[in-house]
Amino acid sequence: DTEVTQTPKHLVMGMTNKKSLKCEQHMGHRAMYWYKQKAKKPPELMFVYSYEKLSINESVPSRFSPECPNSSLLNLHLHALQPEDSALYLCASSQGRFAGLDRMSNQPQHFGDGTRLSIL
Amino acid sequence: SQQGEEDPQALSIQEGENATMNCSYKTSINNLQWYRQNSGRGLVHLILIRSNEREKHSGRLRVTLDTSKKSSSLLITASRAADTASYFCATGQDNYGQNFVFGPGTRLSVLP
Repeated sequence: DTEVTQTPKHLVMGMTNKKSLKCEQHMGHRAMYWYKQKAKKPPELMFVYSYEKLSINESVPSRFSPECPNSSLLNLHLHALQPEDSALYLCASSQGRFAGLDRMSNQPQHFGDGTRLSIL
Repeated sequence: SQQGEEDPQALSIQEGENATMNCSYKTSINNLQWYRQNSGRGLVHLILIRSNEREKHSGRLRVTLDTSKKSSSLLITASRAADTASYFCATGQDNYGQNFVFGPGTRLSVLP
């Protein structure tokens, strides 16, 4: 079992649908991440939230819209996706930017098991 | 952009043998991390080595870092079938290390 919970585990949607992916952690972490992973490829960073504020957007198309309602929750809203958006979407968390003097890159990231998204 | 580059891309060994995976990177780093991913699951953090460290151990894992060559290696000793997974190195890219970049990964198969 992971400490980062992602729902749903699987999602099939049409290109005109609107859906949301959810991620939750209760470790008190203040940094949360969304990654996209295609088969046999490494995860690619999409968004980073630090203290509930969006700090990195890796030039992700606007059909992906992140939201961080509070320090424990991270959502990814999906609208008008393309077939090439089919992938495993991973959420991760880490302690966050102001955890002592340690920069975030020195903190391990804790990953959920992902949502496998298929676009028809 | 990909920072870490793993080598080999795929590795198949017998149970009990050692597995060595290498990672190269391009820019200066504060640290390098290794993660494992079992099929269909999320990534699990294995070990972090800081730029001022040369070697680190954790159980059957040994990680080395050579900042002059911009490379790291992960050694798994006495491998088990349960070690079958993909292994990724990762580095933080900006001043705060928020921009995490993973290498392409090594797919390790440990045959019983």
